[in-house]
Amino acid sequence: NAGVTQTPKFQVLKTGQSMTLQCAQDMNHEYMSWYRQDPGMGLRLIHYSVGAGITDQGEVPNGYNVSRSTTEDFPLRLLSAAPSQTSVYFCASRNRHTEAFFGQGTRLTVV
Amino acid sequence: AQKITQTQPGMFVQEKEAVTLDCTYDTSDPSYGLFWYKQPSSGEMIFLIYQGSYDQQNATEGRYSLNFQKARKSANLVISASQLGDSAMYFCAMREGSYTGGFKTIFGAGTRLFVKA
Repeated sequence: NAGVTQTPKFQVLKTGQSMTLQCAQDMNHEYMSWYRQDPGMGLRLIHYSVGAGITDQGEVPNGYNVSRSTTEDFPLRLLSAAPSQTSVYFCASRNRHTEAFFGQGTRLTVV
Repeated sequence: AQKITQTQPGMFVQEKEAVTLDCTYDTSDPSYGLFWYKQPSSGEMIFLIYQGSYDQQNATEGRYSLNFQKARKSANLVISASQLGDSAMYFCAMREGSYTGGFKTIFGAGTRLFVKA
């Protein structure tokens, strides 16, 4: 009964480093999304996908890449980390007319 | 462009009283869904309630109800008989349909609720 699994839970990066945040869901959901949560700003949509092979930009896509090669996985790549990307990152999945199910979040610090 | 607005950064309520958390939205899509989520201090996101744009009646789930006023584009969350465990951050969210081609879900900035004993 895993639901949405995000790894890692915590990460510290140096400016300029790259990394991938992993997200996997076992509910056969069509839709997957990445959000970042900053204090006082709620959750802002980074990228989302409506199915395998289909991705689109959200509200704050700059500095992030995604791909969706399978229904289950939706990794988020930071190409060159910046201090402005320090945040808590949430992955979510859902079907077309259901609520979103969220992972536990990844707390990323860029120094 | 779609938009979600929560104008109350923080709210206080006495235990056992009701509280209303405000949410207004803006969309040109005739088909959309409205959600409320709770985020306790532990950080997880908990789904509370859903209202579809074509639903005729306001949604209810236990102590939660959604006051949906379509013409005013508002979707306020009402929590009845507040409990200390209701102290948390609350987010309103909107999912658009196919009209604008997105199917994406966006969130408001949130309201932090404090329940006083």
